Amino acid sequence: AQSVSQHNHHVILSEAASLELGCNYSYGGTVNLFWYVQYPGQHLQLLLKYFSGDPLVKGIKGFEAEFIKSKFSFNLRKPSVQWSDTAEYFCAVNALRAGNMLTFGGGTRLMVKP
Amino acid sequence: DVKVTQSSRYLVKRTGEKVFLECVQDMDHENMFWYRQDPGLGLRLIYFSYDVKMKEKGDIPEGYSVSREKKERFSLILESASTNQTSMYLCATQGAGSNQPQHFGDGTRLSIL
Repeated sequence: AQSVSQHNHHVILSEAASLELGCNYSYGGTVNLFWYVQYPGQHLQLLLKYFSGDPLVKGIKGFEAEFIKSKFSFNLRKPSVQWSDTAEYFCAVNALRAGNMLTFGGGTRLMVKP
Repeated sequence: DVKVTQSSRYLVKRTGEKVFLECVQDMDHENMFWYRQDPGLGLRLIYFSYDVKMKEKGDIPEGYSVSREKKERFSLILESASTNQTSMYLCATQGAGSNQPQHFGDGTRLSIL
């Protein structure tokens, strides 16, 4: 069975600091990769996704993620965080099995200090 | 915009009760999902459905069942609620094709006393 690991459960940064959240998955075949964000009191929203092509994917709000197939990783980055980026971030993987099931990582709770 | 509506934001029930959580979508999506979200565990898939009357077990189906009588509605049922089912429950929908993202409802925070 596939699994997704997010290594940091909590991250605290000051505004303007750079962000990198790790995500590793365990499936060896073709995958689709997603990052979702959940702002306090809101529903999960898609931040960005990778299906094929350029492994560097740009999403909303200045976020990007890089798919490194050899490392089974899909790390999320942002050069300069803002207080409004305070949220929980979830990495998810779809190994193209029946039903388009997503496997989610445990989430990383980011707090950005003003 | 896709709209995924969960019937309740907060729900409190007692141990042993039968609990129904409803989810309705307005985008004619084939695929619908029920997850529970717990701190440190992320989202775990309970059940999903890829068509009317079709259902598949996810990773943690024990203690739950589902119903999909109409395409737009996917219900999660706790047959006999227990305290370890206290959690945030999230419904999601997805259009056809594995490259389609999932769209989530606001969640139902369920407490079992």
